[in-house]
Amino acid sequence: DQQVKQNSPSLSVQEGRISILNCDYTNSMFDYFLWYKKYPAEGPTFLISISSIKDKNEDGRFTVFLNKSAKHLSLHIVPSQPGDSAVYFCAASYGGATNKLIFGTGTLLAVQP
Amino acid sequence: DVKVTQSSRYLVKRTGEKVFLECVQDMDHENMFWYRQDPGLGLRLIYFSYDVKMKEKGDIPEGYSVSREKKERFSLILESASTNQTSMYLCATTRGLTYEQYFGPGTRLTVT
Repeated sequence: DQQVKQNSPSLSVQEGRISILNCDYTNSMFDYFLWYKKYPAEGPTFLISISSIKDKNEDGRFTVFLNKSAKHLSLHIVPSQPGDSAVYFCAASYGGATNKLIFGTGTLLAVQP
Repeated sequence: DVKVTQSSRYLVKRTGEKVFLECVQDMDHENMFWYRQDPGLGLRLIYFSYDVKMKEKGDIPEGYSVSREKKERFSLILESASTNQTSMYLCATTRGLTYEQYFGPGTRLTVT
């Protein structure tokens, strides 16, 4: 049973426009959420995170929004750049002693010049 | 900067072979993880370890085992490789109770 879902396998956006990547989750015990970016033949790199006590977190061009009632989070990239083209994974954790992450299936973002 | 290295970037093995994938980190992190990444399935946790000689099963441990004899090194073992274990294998680490995981570059394993 997929606890973290990314329903869009791919997304194409024009350079300079906004990219919105979505993620839904089913487990209300998740208390921390992260976004990772992955280029081909490389490991994922951490992008941005949000605690469940917040509804928004910004870091430069990247903003993550959390809607706990809808069990939904989104990543906004503004403005999008060709170098943002990658697979984006959302991940969630319910903490505890080991802080395991549950990852979504990923969304391939293509930013067209 | 955290550095996580994996022993091979690409590996080709035959069905039935015993396969060792090694991960080494240089930041004295307590927790280490092994994932596999498959198209349409995302990253799935195989095993993790929160201390030397300690290990716990993840979501898909069948067909795998692990070893952590030293803090900086976490090995994934495929006892008898099968074609359905063809995948990208990723190692990750974290310090203590932090959530952010640092990943190695991955090993693309092909079992023929």
